Parts: sequence; C-alpha cells; structure tokens
Amino acid sequence: GENVEQHPSTLSVQEGDSAVIKCTYSDSASNYFPWYKQELGKRPQLIIDIRSNVGEKKDQRIAVTLNKTAKHFSLHITETQPEDSAVYFCAAADYKLSFGAGTTVTVRA
Amino acid sequence: DGGITQSPKYLFRKEGQNVTLSCEQNLNHDAMYWYRQDPGQGLRLIYYSQIVNDFQKGDIAEGYSVSREKKESFPLTVTSAQKNPTAFYLCASSIAPDSSYEQYFGPGTRLTVT
Repeated sequence: GENVEQHPSTLSVQEGDSAVIKCTYSDSASNYFPWYKQELGKRPQLIIDIRSNVGEKKDQRIAVTLNKTAKHFSLHITETQPEDSAVYFCAAADYKLSFGAGTTVTVRA
Repeated sequence: DGGITQSPKYLFRKEGQNVTLSCEQNLNHDAMYWYRQDPGQGLRLIYYSQIVNDFQKGDIAEGYSVSREKKESFPLTVTSAQKNPTAFYLCASSIAPDSSYEQYFGPGTRLTVT
C-alpha cells in the first residue's frame, strides 16, 4: 500500500517568513494529493490539493508543487501569520487516502 | 461547520466494554470513513464505506466494527478486542466513492478507556 513520509515534524518560523513542508510517497498510482490543516482541538480542513496531471497550484499565500518522477510534493506558505500556526498533514490517494505524520508549524510573532 | 457531526465529543469507558461512536452527515455524500488519530501520528484509516450496505477494512480494522444501513450514518463500534482503544476518532465523508475527492471531517470523539 501507499506510504507517505512527511518532514519536518516541527517547524518554527518568524512571522512574515516562508514555511515549507515536504512529503514523499511510494505508490506511483497515487493521483491526488491534498493538504489538511488542523488547529488545536479542531477537525482537519482541506487547504489545498493537487492532482497528478498538474505540477503546481497556488491559492493566495499557499502553494503546492508536485514532482511525479521523484514522487514528492511540497507545501509552501509565504508571509506567514500567527493564524498559520497549526498541524499540517499531507496525504496521497491511490484507492484510499494515506496521511503523513504531520508537521507542527509555529509562527513566532 | 455542520454537515457532518460526531457524538459524543468525549467518551469514557472501562476496559472490556464495547462502545459505539456516532457519525452522521447531511451532505448527501456517498462515501464515509473512520480514522484514528494518535499523538505524533497521522490519521490512520479504520474502515470506509463507499455505498450503503457495503464497507471495507482499512489499515487498522482489528478490534473495530462498523455498519452502513443508511446513507447518512456510519457508526463505529470499538470492541473489547481493540488492545489500545484510547485515541481521537475522526469520521469523514466525501461526495463520491473515490479517494480523489475532498474529505470533510467531523469534529471528532475523544475516547478514553481505563
């Protein structure tokens, strides 16, 4: 089955700086790669996703890139703000969604 | 919020007892999922259902059971056979029985077994 690895496990950035989270996946059949944000005590919510026929997608301060050859994808958050502090999960879908272990992002004011 | 609900928010049980977690959605979604979340780990799939009256085991189904008698409901029973049941349980649904669609999560149930 699919195996998703996510790095780093924790990330501390100064407000205004960029944050990058990287994930690798094992199954070349995976074709959908969502990113979820989970604030403390709350449910995960989709922030951006990308499909295997696209190399990059942007939504305001958030972008995701996908390298199918290398089987890795990354989340980029620019101009970080305190409300970006949360746990971020990457995932990859073949016939089911497999999640990475999560990255705890802390934005320092 | 809304759309997919879980109850209760917190649940306490004694070891050896079965317990059922509720999950309801009014989004008219075909597919529903149960995940377990432990500290420092991602979400792990317990069971999923792509259509009424059908469900499949996920990666960690041992000690759990489900039913899908109605489209809007997908209850999870944690049995006494589950060796380490204390965890945060999340239910999710998606519009189509295909993992390449967004999954919407419920607020979760935190189960503590002592």
